[in-house]
Amino acid sequence: GENVEQHPSTLSVQEGDSAVIKCTYSDSASNYFPWYKQELGKRPQLIIDIRSNVGEKKDQRIAVTLNKTAKHFSLHITETQPEDSAVYFCAARRGAYNAGGTSYGKLTFGQGTILTVHP
Amino acid sequence: GAVVSQHPSRVICKSGTSVKIECRSLDFQATTMFWYRQFPKQSLMLMATSNEGSKATYEQGVEKDKFLINHASLTLSTLTVTSAHPEDSSFYICSARDSDSYEQYFGPGTRLTVT
Repeated sequence: GENVEQHPSTLSVQEGDSAVIKCTYSDSASNYFPWYKQELGKRPQLIIDIRSNVGEKKDQRIAVTLNKTAKHFSLHITETQPEDSAVYFCAARRGAYNAGGTSYGKLTFGQGTILTVHP
Repeated sequence: GAVVSQHPSRVICKSGTSVKIECRSLDFQATTMFWYRQFPKQSLMLMATSNEGSKATYEQGVEKDKFLINHASLTLSTLTVTSAHPEDSSFYICSARDSDSYEQYFGPGTRLTVT
């Protein structure tokens, strides 16, 4: 099955600095890579995602890059703010569009990164 | 936007009792729902995939007789933790996949404490 490794486990930055979180995956058939932000006791919130036909995607201060050959993808947060402090999870998934087989469409999560942005 | 609800949000039960958690997709149909368990400071671990009208598919190491899943309609899946023990105390999160868009949306989670 898929295995997703995420680093670092904790990340501490000063407000205004950039933060980068990296993930690697093992299943070359994975083609969807979302990133989630989870605050304590809350549900994971999708913040950005990328599909395998794209190398980079940006949404304001957040960007994700994907290297299919190396099987790794990264989250970049620029101009960090204290409210960015949370746990961030990467995930990988095979396409959910293939018929049959309940293994399709399962998200495999990384271990998580605790991001702390100091004012 | 798509909304997934879970009930209850928090439950405390005694060891040996059973607890049912409901997961509902409020404004979309979900043929597939997923149940995750999350221990403190850990990642989300998939327990099972719930398919409407058929048996759930359990991940390796998850006891199907202990964690009963029923997905009787396109908007409701339930997880019953049978004969709960303190080690079952955890944060249980469901996720529903929109049957049309295949987007996956998470519920707010249920905090289970077994005393």
